[in-house]
Amino acid sequence: QVQLQESGPGLVKPSETLSLTCTVSGGSVRSGSYYWSWIRQPPGKGLEWIGYIYYSGSTNYSPSLKSRVTISVDTSKNQFSLKLSSVTAADTAVYYCAREVGATAMDYWGQGTLVTVSS
Amino acid sequence: DIQMTQSPSTLSASVGDRVTITCRASQSISSWLAWYQQKPGKAPKLLIYKASSLESGVPSRFSGSGSGTEFTLTINSLQPDDFATYYCQQYNSSPWTFGQGTKVEIK
Repeated sequence: QVQLQESGPGLVKPSETLSLTCTVSGGSVRSGSYYWSWIRQPPGKGLEWIGYIYYSGSTNYSPSLKSRVTISVDTSKNQFSLKLSSVTAADTAVYYCAREVGATAMDYWGQGTLVTVSS
Repeated sequence: DIQMTQSPSTLSASVGDRVTITCRASQSISSWLAWYQQKPGKAPKLLIYKASSLESGVPSRFSGSGSGTEFTLTINSLQPDDFATYYCQQYNSSPWTFGQGTKVEIK
């Protein structure tokens, strides 16, 4: 059974960089069948796709966040990571990592982690 | 970006009811649509992919249909466990986008 688990600080100061890691168990980020994604959900609001990475390092980001987002993969640790720079209160959200089946639907999700941007 | 619009935003129903949620895309997305169920404090759960394919382990009372710009999620004989928020998501063209959600409440 594939499991994903997000980890990282729950509080980030404005203008700083949000950094999260997703650890994958029960499966490999090296699998060529899947893409590895980040999605966020502001409190009480809907879902926003941030972007994905392929095991080769190829990425695809949402244009609305592209200038501030970096997603990377560490195949040796079976992890992938999200960095979001210059954060503001508008970036406060629950951040989810997920597995995309061939850059399509997301079939496995982490439990989510709340990141609050506040001084 | 492709805009996804769900209706209704909230739906009140009783156990045993047949429920239909609509999702409209701002342009054709062929059949590249997924449906998710989300309960409070939990991650979304994939129900349907490619508009009408049932994800493994999902009860058969859930079904999806549609293509192009109009899609529906139907729940036959609503069960207590089905009260949740449902989202559609297109993956025809990047960036992937979600509908705003439909909350299914107990009547």
